[in-house]
Amino acid sequence: SYELTQPPSVSVSPGQTARITCSGDELPKQYAYWYQQKPGQAPMLVIYKDTERPSGIPDRFSGSSSGTTVTLTISGVQAEDEADYFCQSADSIHTHVVFGGGTKVTVL
Amino acid sequence: QVQLVQSGAEVRKPGASVKVSCKASGYTFTSNYMHWVRQAPGQGLEWMGMINPSGSSTTYAQKLQGRVTMTSDTSTDTVYMELSSLSSEDTAVYYCARALDGQGGYFDYWGQGTLVTVSS
Repeated sequence: SYELTQPPSVSVSPGQTARITCSGDELPKQYAYWYQQKPGQAPMLVIYKDTERPSGIPDRFSGSSSGTTVTLTISGVQAEDEADYFCQSADSIHTHVVFGGGTKVTVL
Repeated sequence: QVQLVQSGAEVRKPGASVKVSCKASGYTFTSNYMHWVRQAPGQGLEWMGMINPSGSSTTYAQKLQGRVTMTSDTSTDTVYMELSSLSSEDTAVYYCARALDGQGGYFDYWGQGTLVTVSS
């Protein structure tokens, strides 16, 4: 079955830049999406269609895509950005959804 | 405003079934696929499947085929997810999520989650 691969953890100091990667064979053909999840809360969409930011999401969150890897970048990390981040995409025929394993971002 | 309100926490014994509801409001219920996603304690997100509320067509994750059933009731704008033959591995928070951009799309609104605990 199709898989998306993320690093388990990323640590960053306040004000620095965090980059979270997500790799998958279908990513050149299917959009990727990113969710932020804080403890006890439902996930929240922060990036859609590889690079688009929903209204209300701070502009320090950005997405990019290159080949089989997509990247979520958090510029000028703040303490409130400490959370789990999940990438999501679909299989080759756009019918089954798949999530990456998640990346825990720790703000030092 | 869009809201997805799920039913409350459930406790079941191994081998039993559970049915979780998700009531939608604030938009046209039949305009969007509804998906179910679960999260075991301390683990990641697992996609379970989806339903088209207008025609009730469904697609399930291969891992859960034969154990999961998703239904919709357009008279109450509610979708349901029933999972049978429960084991301890099904202990998780279950979320419904509204999809944009078709079947394999993405999720702009989520329910608050329903904790299902499977324990003897």
